Amino acid sequence: DVKVTQSSRYLVKRTGEKVFLECVQDMDHENMFWYRQDPGLGLRLIYFSYDVKMKEKGDIPEGYSVSREKKERFSLILESASTNQTSMYLCASGGGNNYGYTFGSGTRLTVV
Amino acid sequence: ELKVEQNPLFLSMQEGKNYTIYCNYSTTSDRLYWYRQDPGKSLESLFVLLSNGAVKQEGRLMASLDTKARLSTLHITAAVHDLSATYFCAVDGIGTSYGKLTFGQGTILTVHP
Repeated sequence: DVKVTQSSRYLVKRTGEKVFLECVQDMDHENMFWYRQDPGLGLRLIYFSYDVKMKEKGDIPEGYSVSREKKERFSLILESASTNQTSMYLCASGGGNNYGYTFGSGTRLTVV
Repeated sequence: ELKVEQNPLFLSMQEGKNYTIYCNYSTTSDRLYWYRQDPGKSLESLFVLLSNGAVKQEGRLMASLDTKARLSTLHITAAVHDLSATYFCAVDGIGTSYGKLTFGQGTILTVHP
């Protein structure tokens, strides 16, 4: 089974802090994604990456950046956390001809 | 812009009954996915539908895809309480948008005894 591991289940950070959310997948997938999920707004794509050192903006990239130095790891960075970035963050990997996308267990981030 | 609409958004069912959740989408795609989400948890993949006419079944759930009608259905047969969850469909982009999933709003399913 594909495993997508997010390093933290719950995080509490202060406004203005730099926050790193880490995601690792073990199936050699080229594609990796970061979404956030908010009540009433559903799941929205923040950034995605098709390959190492490549990144593409999703629908809501403002306030975020990403890093993909190795194929298996995709990091989401909140440069200066704000309270409106309090959310559930979901990492996913996959795509391709025969399979879909697998999601990690999620990180619930609270910015105070 | 791709839009994905699910209905109903809320579904309250009795155990043993059948029902269908619908997922309509607005632009061409031939890849659609169904996910289940339990409260406070992440998304669990249920079905991967990769072509017109695809039909997949797992237990009491069956999913189908009609790319010409831009419609997917998730049919629930003889519902049981364990199926209570939120169900999402997600449509994949095409061409340069491949890999960008657009999600439906989700259907909150509650199965009552």
